[in-house]
Parts: sequence; C-alpha cells; structure tokens
Amino acid sequence: NAGVTQTPKFRILKIGQSMTLQCTQDMNHNYMYWYRQDPGMGLKLIYYSVGAGITDKGEVPNGYNVSRSTTEDFPLRLELAAPSQTSVYFCASSHIWTGGQETQYFGPGTRLLVL
Amino acid sequence: TQLLEQSPQFLSIQEGENLTVYCNSSSVFSSLQWYRQEPGEGPVLLVTVVTGGEVKKLKRLTFQFGDARKDSSLHITAAQPGDTGLYLCAGDAFNKFYFGSGTKLNVKP
Repeated sequence: NAGVTQTPKFRILKIGQSMTLQCTQDMNHNYMYWYRQDPGMGLKLIYYSVGAGITDKGEVPNGYNVSRSTTEDFPLRLELAAPSQTSVYFCASSHIWTGGQETQYFGPGTRLLVL
Repeated sequence: TQLLEQSPQFLSIQEGENLTVYCNSSSVFSSLQWYRQEPGEGPVLLVTVVTGGEVKKLKRLTFQFGDARKDSSLHITAAQPGDTGLYLCAGDAFNKFYFGSGTKLNVKP
C-alpha cells in the first residue's frame, strides 16, 4: 500500500495561472480531505468529500474547487492563483469521518509558491 | 482567529525534562486528536480522546481531555531528542475539523 500520494511535491506559479494538485489513496477510504498549512499555523480544511460524487466546503474554500469522480482520487483545482495561496497543501483520507475516532492518513504535501 | 489555541508556541528543553502542551477552546468538541508532524511530512495521529475527563497514555506521553470537552493537554515525561517535532491538536466541531496552530518542540541532547 502506498497510502496517500500527492503530486507535484513542489510548484511555482505566476499570479493568475491555474493548476491541479493531485491526490490519490489506495486504502479504499470513503472520506478525503484537503488542508492548507501556512508557516507557523495549523492546518485549515479547504474541502472534503464523504464519497465519490459528494464534496463539501471546509473552513477556507474560496479560490479552490474539487471533484471526486472515483473513490481513489480527489484533485484540488486552483483557477486563478494568488500570492495568498502560497502554502503547503496536504491531502488526507479516512475510512469514516475522522471525528469518529477514525485515523486520518496524510500525504507528504505539495509546497506551492505563487509569485 | 483559531478555534483551537495551543500553548506554548515554541518549547526548547533538555533531554530528560518533563513538559506539558495545552490546547484550549471556548467550543465543545465531540472528539479531539493529537498529531505529531516532522519537517517536510504530513501529520501523524498520536491519539484520539472522546470522553470528557478521559486520560490516555502512550509510553511517555499522557493525553487528557477536559471534563467539558473544550480543552486538552499533552504531557511528555523524560523527553528524548526523538520527541522533537511539531505537535498539533485537532477537534471535531460543527461537522468540520479544526487544527490548532501547533507547538514546536525541540529536545536538546
């Protein structure tokens, strides 16, 4: 099992460019999450999904879009990159809602720099 | 503003010392988790506490959930250099999941 994989590991974008951060899990987990972590801060939930075809907003969804066409994949889309989106992005997955004592497994992160 | 406030933000201690990290909120959480994060990696779950007043032990780490389920603490006994990392608390509230800003711990040999 590879667990949760994320690509790319690092990316530099110019203001206004768009990109998709990829996330794949091979644990057959229903729940998937996208977080961002700014320097010196904790993680903030951007979007989450409870299963294929179902997504919902987290704490900081503005400027992002997601889709969940399969159980395994949960890509995060940035349409018009802004310097405020410079951050480290983590994808995570869990079998059930993580608040229900379920372990949430994190990917290694994607470091994004918007200039 | 953070729903969960952690203190201290930074902690640098000598090997063998004890320490406590606090995670506080004015909101009630249905459960609270503690994670440890190494540089360049994602967080790794240490423990989940669910019941008010619950105490869980993981070797030299002791986790406590407040009676009102608004706060939690992590106590490390006889810290080792291998305990160095960023410790994050996270809680389930309002059907969302919130992280604290973290405590960066450095244990010097």
